[in-house]
Order: sequence, then structure tokens, then C-alpha cells
Amino acid sequence: AQSVTQLDSQVPVFEEAPVELRCNYSSSVSVYLFWYVQYPNQGLQLLLKYLSGSTLVKGINGFEAEFNKSQTSFHLRKPSVHISDTAEYFCAVSDLGGSQGNLIFGKGTKLSVKP
Amino acid sequence: EAGVAQSPRYKIIEKRQSVAFWCNPISGHATLYWYQQILGQGPKLLIQFQNNGVVDDSQLPKDRFSAERLKGVDSTLKIQPAKLEDSAVYLCASSSESPETQYFGPGTRLLVL
Repeated sequence: AQSVTQLDSQVPVFEEAPVELRCNYSSSVSVYLFWYVQYPNQGLQLLLKYLSGSTLVKGINGFEAEFNKSQTSFHLRKPSVHISDTAEYFCAVSDLGGSQGNLIFGKGTKLSVKP
Repeated sequence: EAGVAQSPRYKIIEKRQSVAFWCNPISGHATLYWYQQILGQGPKLLIQFQNNGVVDDSQLPKDRFSAERLKGVDSTLKIQPAKLEDSAVYLCASSSESPETQYFGPGTRLLVL
């Protein structure tokens, strides 16, 4: 069975500072990895995804993530955050084998950007 | 391109009442998902449809929850009777034949009193 652990439930950071949101996963098979963002009272929006190839993935809004197979991690980073990045961020995993693309989500990390 | 539509956006009911949610996926998307997101947790898959057939409903509490996707387009999710622990946001998502990217609707926030 797969699982996703987001190590920080809340991350406060000042505007223009760098940020890293941590995600570790557990799976016995190869996986696809995703980061979604959820703004208040809205649905989830895909930030980026890793399917194969380069382990450094670039997404929207200046975010990027690095897949590390040996450490089973997929941490999300942004070199300089804005107030508008305040939201909840979810890491998710989907196995390649045949779960029809079902996503297993972590519990989320609330990013709070302060002026 | 229009996104995934859901209604209502908010619903308040008393326990033991019934409630229904509606979802209209992105045009042409064959796969439709319903997720339950309890406060402080990530979304959990309830049911997945491929066209109008059920692919996975292993986590759907079938004694009280039901879902259908007639004609392979719109879908409804029903809870009858509702319990206090059903208070959550119910998210609908859809994807094209490539299942890797799911597009989410704004969700329906349910409060059971």
C-alpha cells in the first residue's frame, strides 16, 4: 500500500524568502508524484508532476520539486515566495501499476507568507 | 475551457437527513472521481468512474453513500442518512484518457448538525 507523509503541517515564512515543503512517500512499486495547491474555499490546482525523466521538475508560479528515489522524497521548493503563495499544499502519489490513476494524498502543509 | 463544475457550494443538514451533490466534469473527460476531504486532512478517494462504469469504489461507505454517472457525463453523489462525521468538503475531479492529471472542481462544503 502507498502512503504519503508531509513532514510539516504549517510553514510560516517571510515574503521573498525561500521555502521548502517536505514530502516523503512509501510504495513498493514505481510511482507518479504530484504537488497540488489549494487556495481558501477552492478546489485543488496542479502545481507540478513527476512521471519519468529528469528528477528536477518545474511547475507553475515558480515552484519546482526534486524526485529522490533513494530517499523516497519529493520536496517542493520556491526561491522567493510572495504573499499570494499563502495556501495549503498537498503532495500526492499514484502508482504506475494499475490503480487507474488513483491519487493518495498527504495531510497537507499550510504555507503562510508574512510581509 | 470550462472547468469542473459542482453544486451546491455549501450545504447544512441535520443528521439522518439525506443530501445530494452534483458534478459536471470537463467536456470530453472520461474519468470522474469523487473525493472526501475532512478538515485537516488530504482528500480521500470515494469512487472513480470510467465513462459510466465504476472502476473503484472500495472506500465508499456503501451503507449510506451512493453515486451514479448516467450517460457517462454528469455525476451525483448521495448520502442517506447523513452522520455527523460526514461533515467535509466533497471534491469532484475529472481526467482525460491519460489519468495522470486530475482537474478538481471547487468542492461542496457539507456541515451535518
